[in-house]
Amino acid sequence: DIQMTQSPSTLSASVGDRVTITCRASLSISSRLAWYQQKPEQAPKLLISKASSLESGVPSRFSGSGSGTEFTLTISSLQPDDFATYYCQHYHSYPITFGPGTKVDIK
Amino acid sequence: EVHLVESGGGLVQPGGSLRLSCAASGFTFSDHYMDWVRQAPGTGLEWVGRTRNKANSYTTEYAASVKGRFTISREDSKNSLYLQMNSLKTEDTAVYYCVRVALVVPAADDFWGQGTLVSVSS
Repeated sequence: DIQMTQSPSTLSASVGDRVTITCRASLSISSRLAWYQQKPEQAPKLLISKASSLESGVPSRFSGSGSGTEFTLTISSLQPDDFATYYCQHYHSYPITFGPGTKVDIK
Repeated sequence: EVHLVESGGGLVQPGGSLRLSCAASGFTFSDHYMDWVRQAPGTGLEWVGRTRNKANSYTTEYAASVKGRFTISREDSKNSLYLQMNSLKTEDTAVYYCVRVALVVPAADDFWGQGTLVSVSS
């Protein structure tokens, strides 16, 4: 199975900050990586697929990069609506697995 | 507008069974692969399994933690997805999400239902 790790596990930031979350896969997954945002008591929402492809309706302050085993999610200027938990997911092979999540909270 | 509505959750004793349903609308259900993903209280996301579409013979994949106990099925004529859960364990307690897989596979999970809570406890 491909293991996914994320760092940091928690990130404290202020509105306007540039935020970067890292996701690593235990084996190469090409660009078969997605990023999700989850707010408390809500279902996850797909932000980015294919490592860097922004989903329709997702603000352009979100961006993704990477391929192979190392990936990043960047929020260029953190907004109040962005305080949430972010998960990466690979869909390269079965079983599909998620990273443990990164909680972005208010500094 | 895409809608996925799960139902069938509840309290069940260890060793018991439960069947979850997901009603889909707002898209051509029969074209899509569909997933179940779960989230235990206060923890992260765990992929449970997948059913492919008719063009791919409705074949299924499962996480090791549920293989042999859970069965995913679908009824395209009713735009419905199901998860039959047998031999339930306390560690199966979670919110279960019905999830649509984007059309061009391999693909991410592009739309999620709101989830239904399954509690396994004596």
